[in-house]
Amino acid sequence: AQKITQTQPGMFVQEKEAVTLDCTYDTSDPSYGLFWYKQPSSGEMIFLIYQGSYDQQNATEGRYSLNFQKARKSANLVISASQLGDSAMYFCAMAFYGQNFVFGPGTRLSVLP
Amino acid sequence: DTEVTQTPKHLVMGMTNKKSLKCEQHMGHRAMYWYKQKAKKPPELMFVYSYEKLSINESVPSRFSPECPNSSLLNLHLHALQPEDSALYLCASSQFHGLANNEQFFGPGTRLTVL
Repeated sequence: AQKITQTQPGMFVQEKEAVTLDCTYDTSDPSYGLFWYKQPSSGEMIFLIYQGSYDQQNATEGRYSLNFQKARKSANLVISASQLGDSAMYFCAMAFYGQNFVFGPGTRLSVLP
Repeated sequence: DTEVTQTPKHLVMGMTNKKSLKCEQHMGHRAMYWYKQKAKKPPELMFVYSYEKLSINESVPSRFSPECPNSSLLNLHLHALQPEDSALYLCASSQFHGLANNEQFFGPGTRLTVL
């Protein structure tokens, strides 16, 4: 069965510093997609970044990058130059052909001024 | 337009009430989803509609009744709910269901309180 682990229930980072949010997964399926979502206290889940299991390069989207280590089954999210507005819950998710998303338990990030 | 809209934003209802949640997307997506989310937990899938047909029901109690009137609209009809049904209800859509590279776009959610 597919499973996602996010080992950091809560993280703190100083404003303008970089932060890495961990995500490890367990699957025997060779084809999958990895996603990161941000959920502010308002509730909306905001799509941040996507990585395909066959992608050779790590995905980047503005201040977000995904450190994809396939052999280690990890897909950590790196946020550079943290901003106060980055304070939120962050969910790692996986998708497989023919199946629905599997979400991790989430990490709450707090950015300190 | 990459927006999924949901109404209402907040809903308070008694256990004998009947109410409906509405969701709309105009991205041409053929898959739409209802999720339930409790505080500090990830979203839990309730229903999936693919090409306007119900394709997944995750053993949701019959007091929740989904409806997909057309490819842009998704409703969730609520009847005789219990206090433990209080949660954030999220609607999402994706281009298709069941592809590994299709991100899901979420609406802002409806915060439901059952008294």
